[in-house]
Amino acid sequence: DAGITQSPRHKVTETGTPVTLRCHQTENHRYMYWYRQDPGHGLRLIHYSYGVKDTDKGEVSDGYSVSRSKTEDFLLTLESATSSQTSVYFCAIRASGGYGVREQYFGPGTRLTVT
Amino acid sequence: AQTVTQSQPEMSVQEAETVTLSCTYDTSESNYYLFWYKQPPSRQMILVIRQEAYKQQNATENRFSVNFQKAAKSFSLKISDSQLGDTAMYFCAADQGGSEKLVFGKGMKLTVNP
Repeated sequence: DAGITQSPRHKVTETGTPVTLRCHQTENHRYMYWYRQDPGHGLRLIHYSYGVKDTDKGEVSDGYSVSRSKTEDFLLTLESATSSQTSVYFCAIRASGGYGVREQYFGPGTRLTVT
Repeated sequence: AQTVTQSQPEMSVQEAETVTLSCTYDTSESNYYLFWYKQPPSRQMILVIRQEAYKQQNATENRFSVNFQKAAKSFSLKISDSQLGDTAMYFCAADQGGSEKLVFGKGMKLTVNP
């Protein structure tokens, strides 16, 4: 399972409140990712990180921010949650191993409901 | 931008039968990697199989194999001897050449019936 945990696993929050989701990995992978999964859309990349304090936007980054102050932790923050951010959020790492290793492994997901 | 298309939203098959899931992609890169992921009802995303575009040989992992047609930009997944545990959403994904990012298709729901 690539040693990836996500917390919380479920959360219900109200519109306008800040929310932070945490992804933790134990295997020192350089690349980490946050996706959201919605019916009919597959997985869409929100933000990703290629090292401590190095992050970049994905295709659906509006309304989200991220931080990575340690290799093992990648945080996703919704500054002011909206109902459109109700989704399942997945964290992933890209496997390390040199040339040709490109696959990603996923955490168990967080179901977020914004009421 | 690279796109990945799974045109069949849903399929069902009888246990022990063979089923093929289709995927097409669009890229301008010469070398890239393709993946199939499985998501059972538990919601966990599981890597099923990977294919490197420069390799002509189709990848195989036990009952799972791919039919990779590079010129047609097609990457289908064949599941042989379907089992009830194969019931899941299946996602095709492609990396963007030298990019660190994957692009996913919208997924296909496979149901294996007893």
